[in-house]
Amino acid sequence: DVKVTQSSRYLVKRTGEKVFLECVQDMDHENMFWYRQDPGLGLRLIYFSYDVKMKEKGDIPEGYSVSREKKERFSLILESASTNQTSMYLCASTQGGIKGSPLHFGNGTRLTVT
Amino acid sequence: GESVGLHLPTLSVQEGDNSIINCAYSNSASDYFIWYKQESGKGPQFIIDIRSNMDKRQGQRVTVLLNKTVKHLSLQIAATQPGDSAVYFCARTGNNRKLIWGLGTSLAVNP
Repeated sequence: DVKVTQSSRYLVKRTGEKVFLECVQDMDHENMFWYRQDPGLGLRLIYFSYDVKMKEKGDIPEGYSVSREKKERFSLILESASTNQTSMYLCASTQGGIKGSPLHFGNGTRLTVT
Repeated sequence: GESVGLHLPTLSVQEGDNSIINCAYSNSASDYFIWYKQESGKGPQFIIDIRSNMDKRQGQRVTVLLNKTVKHLSLQIAATQPGDSAVYFCARTGNNRKLIWGLGTSLAVNP
């Protein structure tokens, strides 16, 4: 089975801190994604990557950046955390395109910014 | 604009009954639809998918129905069990390489 591992389950940071959320997948998948999940808003795509060093903006990229230096690792960076970035962050990966290749998700990182 | 919506935010069923979870969508350009299940404390997990050239697809205890005429997608769970309690999301492909997600339906199974 594909395993997508997010390094932290819970994280508490202060406003203005730089925050790194790490995600690793073990199935040599080409594509990786970062979503945030908020009650009543569903899953919203922040950034995604189709190859090493490649990145594309999702629907809500503001306030975030990403890094993909190795195929198995996709990092989400909050340059200066703000309280409105308190959320559940989900990483996912898939081998092919999104048509016919289901996303495999990690168990999420719940980030609280105080 | 593109959207995927839900008819009901919560659904409560008795153990052993069949469950039906619905999604409506507004844009007919999608050609791939997916259902995910999210249990408490976990990430979403793929259940079943269907392409737009099909009306029905069956898995183990689950069936997905696609009605393109009325732009409606449903997930049927047979003989619902306590382990089926979760939030269920529908998603579809948009005009680019992104998925468009519904807001989720919470399924509660009563013993």
